[in-house]
Amino acid sequence: EVQLVESGGGLVQPGRSLRLSCTTSGFTFGDYAVTWVRQAPGKGLEWVGFIRGKPFGGTTEHAASVKGRFTISRDDSKSIAYLQMHSLKTEDTAVYYCIRGRYSGSHWGQGTLVTVSS
Amino acid sequence: DIVMTQTPLSLVVTPGQPASISCKSSQSLLHSDGKTYLYWYLQKPGQSPQLLIYEVSNRFSGVPDRFSGSGSGTDFTLKISRVEGEDVGVYYCKQSIQLPVTFGQGTRLEI
Repeated sequence: EVQLVESGGGLVQPGRSLRLSCTTSGFTFGDYAVTWVRQAPGKGLEWVGFIRGKPFGGTTEHAASVKGRFTISRDDSKSIAYLQMHSLKTEDTAVYYCIRGRYSGSHWGQGTLVTVSS
Repeated sequence: DIVMTQTPLSLVVTPGQPASISCKSSQSLLHSDGKTYLYWYLQKPGQSPQLLIYEVSNRFSGVPDRFSGSGSGTDFTLKISRVEGEDVGVYYCKQSIQLPVTFGQGTRLEI
């Protein structure tokens, strides 16, 4: 069974950093891209970015709203993807989901809440 | 960026009745590879979004056949032939032909 579990969320002050993890199982992690999507409280879905799988070079793409502040990475040996967030702003407050793949979004994690507040 | 516009934004449906949601994109979602990169998701209350339809009209595994997707180019529709209580939630369309990936605003379906 394909599973993705996000962790690392919590309350953080503006300007600080946080790293989210997406721990996966049930599939060959290295073959797949991993996408991050977020959802601010009561709002819609916003694409954050993704990292390609090893066959495609493991390169990343990020949304303009987080470019230069957020970095997606992966550890194929552990089947984990990461979302490193720096210089957090109050508008980054959201539930962050990791998703297997780049296109279809067939499997999502349960999400982890990040609250940026002083 | 490709803008995805859903209508209506909310829908109240009687169980057993049909429902339809429209999604229009600001650019064609037809790729040169022949695929159309349009997806539909349902986010039930308190849950993560779940994939319903991929590439316009293909039901994902386990999705009831009362859900169907249609359309081409820039105009797409999600139809529920007979709404059931478990269909309540927010429906989103999404395009992934071009970065950044963009979602529609969401359509809330209530019974």
